[in-house]
Amino acid sequence: AQSVTQLGSHVSVSEGALVLLRCNYSSSVPPYLFWYVQYPNQGLQLLLKYTTGATLVKGINGFEAEFKKSETSFHLTKPSAHMSDAAEYFCAVSDRVKGSQGNLIFGKGTKLSVKP
Amino acid sequence: DAGVTQSPTHLIKTRGQQVTLRCSPKSGHDTVSWYQQALGQGPQFIFQYYEEEERQRGNFPDRFSGHQFPNYSSELNVNALLLGDSALYLCASRPFALADRKTGELFFGEGSRLTVL
Repeated sequence: AQSVTQLGSHVSVSEGALVLLRCNYSSSVPPYLFWYVQYPNQGLQLLLKYTTGATLVKGINGFEAEFKKSETSFHLTKPSAHMSDAAEYFCAVSDRVKGSQGNLIFGKGTKLSVKP
Repeated sequence: DAGVTQSPTHLIKTRGQQVTLRCSPKSGHDTVSWYQQALGQGPQFIFQYYEEEERQRGNFPDRFSGHQFPNYSSELNVNALLLGDSALYLCASRPFALADRKTGELFFGEGSRLTVL
């Protein structure tokens, strides 16, 4: 069965600093991987996704993530944090064992704080 | 183009009561999934509806039930509410087009926050 582990429930960075949010997955089939962001009192918004092809994926708001099969990782990065990046970030893997109707399995989330 | 819409946004119930939450999927979407997000946790899959039938179910008791209507909208019903049912309930939809649905990407609404007292 697929699973996702996000290391660090809370990450704090200074404005302008590098953002690195860690995600490791477990999957018996080639995974489809996602990062979603959740602002306070809102639903989830897709940041980026990896399905096939290029392993470095670029998303919205300057975020990118790299799929590393050998490390079973899909870490999220942004070169320079902005105050507006403060939110909770969720890594997810598609439950492809159940075919194209599979749903997403989420990690527990990482709350990002950005200090001025 | 409206996204996924959910109602109500907030509601308060007492233990033992029943609640119904509603969801309209994004235009061009036919599959609806429901997730429960407890405070400080990631979303947990409850069930998925497609062609008006429950297709998959997560590890939730029978107190959680649902329905999908011909217009693809959906309801989530929870009976005999417990304090532990307090959470944000998220609805997510998936598009018709096969190329889009194969990736597994879901489009989420803003959720219904349920408080059980």
